[in-house]
Amino acid sequence: QKEVEQNSGPLSVPEGAIASLNCTYSDRVSQSFFWYRQYSGKSPELIMSIYSNGDKEDGRFTAQLNKASQYVSLLIRDSQPSDSATYLCAVNGYGQNFVFGPGTRLSVLP
Amino acid sequence: NAGVMQNPRHLVRRRGQEARLRCSPMKGHSHVYWYRQLPEEGLKFMVYLQKENIIDESGMPKERFSAEFPKEGPSILRIQQVVRGDSAAYFCASSSGTSGTAGQETQYFGPGTRLLVL
Repeated sequence: QKEVEQNSGPLSVPEGAIASLNCTYSDRVSQSFFWYRQYSGKSPELIMSIYSNGDKEDGRFTAQLNKASQYVSLLIRDSQPSDSATYLCAVNGYGQNFVFGPGTRLSVLP
Repeated sequence: NAGVMQNPRHLVRRRGQEARLRCSPMKGHSHVYWYRQLPEEGLKFMVYLQKENIIDESGMPKERFSAEFPKEGPSILRIQQVVRGDSAAYFCASSSGTSGTAGQETQYFGPGTRLLVL
């Protein structure tokens, strides 16, 4: 049974701070990793994908992957109130089926 | 708009009725996935389809639920004899199916169908 775990939160950070979101997964053969953002009542929207160990940066977002530790994280720099949402970690193996974590609710306080 | 389209956006059914949810993938995409999200819960995979083929239905309930993706037209998720526990948001996602590396397909989500069973 493939599992993806995230702290449900809420994670509260002040505006301008760095928000750190974490995700662990159980399937060692997982190949690709995705972070989605979901606002309340809306559909998930892709933020980043990462496939190799290390860091990947895109604007204020940095994804970090450590396959040995089966750990992937998302850092949001200069957090804004508009970043307040639920962040979903998704993991994919050789097949096409994503396994989603339960999501972490982020609240950025003005 | 070439994004993933779903309709209806909201659907109300009484217990025992049938619900049909439609999904048109993003232009150029041939792979469709259905997910269910219960209130305050995460996304649960239901089924993965390509044109005229069900690739993986491991997340589908054994009874009352079925899905298809015909050669022409949208993918349809069908729920027969709905019960209150079927009330949820149902999301469709699509991918291109052209990634050269297995497992690196990115899925793009539609706006979802909110099903309410009275």
